[in-house]
Amino acid sequence: EPEVTQTPSHQVTQMGQEVILRCVPISNHLYFYWYRQILGQKVEFLVSFYNNEISEKSEIFDDQFSVERPDGSNFTLKIRSTKLEDSAMYFCASRWRQAHYEQYFGPGTRLTVT
Amino acid sequence: AQSVTQLDSQVPVFEEAPVELRCNYSSSVSVYLFWYVQYPNQGLQLLLKYLSGSTLVKGINGFEAEFNKSQTSFHLRKPSVHISDTAEYFCAVINGGTSYGKLTFGQGTILTVHP
Repeated sequence: EPEVTQTPSHQVTQMGQEVILRCVPISNHLYFYWYRQILGQKVEFLVSFYNNEISEKSEIFDDQFSVERPDGSNFTLKIRSTKLEDSAMYFCASRWRQAHYEQYFGPGTRLTVT
Repeated sequence: AQSVTQLDSQVPVFEEAPVELRCNYSSSVSVYLFWYVQYPNQGLQLLLKYLSGSTLVKGINGFEAEFNKSQTSFHLRKPSVHISDTAEYFCAVINGGTSYGKLTFGQGTILTVHP
């Protein structure tokens, strides 16, 4: 069964460093998402991506964040200058098409900023 | 703006007992509703969904949920739980008026099944 994959599973970085989190969505899906879950808190929406552009973003998704689908298979989330409060589990999700609302999640990348 | 409230942060239950995990939502428009499960150190797995039609929906692993529009609820139930059902459960909603479908999640309910 096709699944969403994410790499790395765990990333440790120092404050101020750039990180790139990678996701490979399910191959025929058209909608892509990033969510994050700070330890002990709810899962929060960051950004949605469709037709090679951001379709919606949350207040969390400020200028320090960017997303890209560089080669038609990968979907990346970049944080330019990490802060301690960026420490969280980051989930990528994908969805097939407009009439199908189910989102399929990857296993997550745990980002630890020290 | 829509919001989701899961009324219980933790639910302990004995094996083979029934369980209900409660979820209420607030939205001024139509919604699509979901339950996801997160096993320890894993991602989110879709349990079931309500998009339209019958208000009682069945999902994987013997779970079911009932959509109640008047009470704005979508409670998750299972008549007899197993140890393997121990996990965190998230209720989530999508605003029916949007094409891009961001999920808004509740706080999660940790279900612990004791032998």
